[in-house]
Amino acid sequence: AQRVTQPEKLLSVFKGAPVELKCNYSYSGSPELFWYVQYSRQRLQLLLRHISRESIKGFTADLNKGETSFHLKKPFAQEEDSAMYYCALYTGGFKTIFGAGTRLFVKA
Amino acid sequence: SAVISQKPSRDICQRGTSLTIQCQVDSQVTMMFWYRQQPGQSLTLIATANQGSEATYESGFVIDKFPISRPNLTFSTLTVSNMSPEDSSIYLCSVVPGDVNTEAFFGQGTRLTVV
Repeated sequence: AQRVTQPEKLLSVFKGAPVELKCNYSYSGSPELFWYVQYSRQRLQLLLRHISRESIKGFTADLNKGETSFHLKKPFAQEEDSAMYYCALYTGGFKTIFGAGTRLFVKA
Repeated sequence: SAVISQKPSRDICQRGTSLTIQCQVDSQVTMMFWYRQQPGQSLTLIATANQGSEATYESGFVIDKFPISRPNLTFSTLTVSNMSPEDSSIYLCSVVPGDVNTEAFFGQGTRLTVV
């Protein structure tokens, strides 16, 4: 079955602390994974994709096929990182499966 | 990329009435997707709208309640029919432009409140 799991609904960290948002997937093919972010009063938008292997706003995510994971990490959280984060899996045919989302709250 | 205009951005409706949400994309796309999002919560796919054929609905969603139109490759509407307070939610339109560019793009959402 194709599935994306984000085990944490809410993650609260202090400013400057490391943050890790967990994502696990189930997919029989070669996965194409994304992290999307929704800041307050803004539309949902792409944060990063695993193919690009890039760091966006200090965030990185590494695909671990052995553990079927794609966790999002940032070494030092900032208050402006507070948002809703969705892990997503592109399954082909223009379709994307989204995880349930994790709300990140960065405290001052 | 794709730029999506969705309207209305919000509405307050009486129970028993219907609301039609419009989604306009600045480029031609094969499929358009309609989601429901409870504030701060998960995205739930309602249906996939294909041009020239009936929409494909996910489990728990039916055409009578959420009729969808897709008259061309850049436009779609979702109607929320015979509304009840349980339909209060944010409704999102989304597209994935292609199998090369697999990023999903979203409209700004329609915040619906049913009273």
